[in-house]
Amino acid sequence: GQQVMQIPQYQHVQEGEDFTTYCNSSTTLSNIQWYKQRPGGHPVFLIQLVKSGEVKKQKRLTFQFGEAKKNSSLHITATQTTDVGTYFCAGLSNAGNMLTFGGGTRLMVKP
Amino acid sequence: KAGVTQTPRYLIKTRGQQVTLSCSPISGHRSVSWYQQTPGQGLQFLFEYFSETQRNKGNFPGRFSGRQFSNSRSEMNVSTLELGDSALYLCASSQGWKNIQYFGAGTRLSVL
Repeated sequence: GQQVMQIPQYQHVQEGEDFTTYCNSSTTLSNIQWYKQRPGGHPVFLIQLVKSGEVKKQKRLTFQFGEAKKNSSLHITATQTTDVGTYFCAGLSNAGNMLTFGGGTRLMVKP
Repeated sequence: KAGVTQTPRYLIKTRGQQVTLSCSPISGHRSVSWYQQTPGQGLQFLFEYFSETQRNKGNFPGRFSGRQFSNSRSEMNVSTLELGDSALYLCASSQGWKNIQYFGAGTRLSVL
């Protein structure tokens, strides 16, 4: 079945440093979604990428979808303490009927 | 629009008991998915219901079951509880082909 791997599992950064998490799927995806879960909270949808090679930005966050539609990344520039949480990617299968979450990357930011 | 509502928020049960969790999706959303979240295990997919039919199923034992009603509300049942079932159970509703998940706040189940 479809597998989605996410690395790293944990990342500690100093406030102001950059952060990147990577997501790789075992199969070609229809789209990829990113979610953020704050400590004690529930996952909240951030963005969806659909096109091969697509790049989208949300303020300090940059999302990329690979050319082969099998990998994606989330990059945060100049992290802030408000960025703390776990970031999940989720890949939608080409058939469009199965959404698989990656294991998440837990980001910790030292002020 | 009101968000996804899960009840109860917290539950304490003992081994061998059974439990039923409830989820009310966003109005108009016909798909409801359930996930189990434990520390270090990420989001484990349990099952998805669409129009009262189970559309997808994860790799969980038969003790975990669910159903969906005609108003799209969904329930999840776990029978013969084990200590390892202690987790946050999240429900998410979605609409349309993009399958964007809108999560509820979850039910935290503790099995003693």
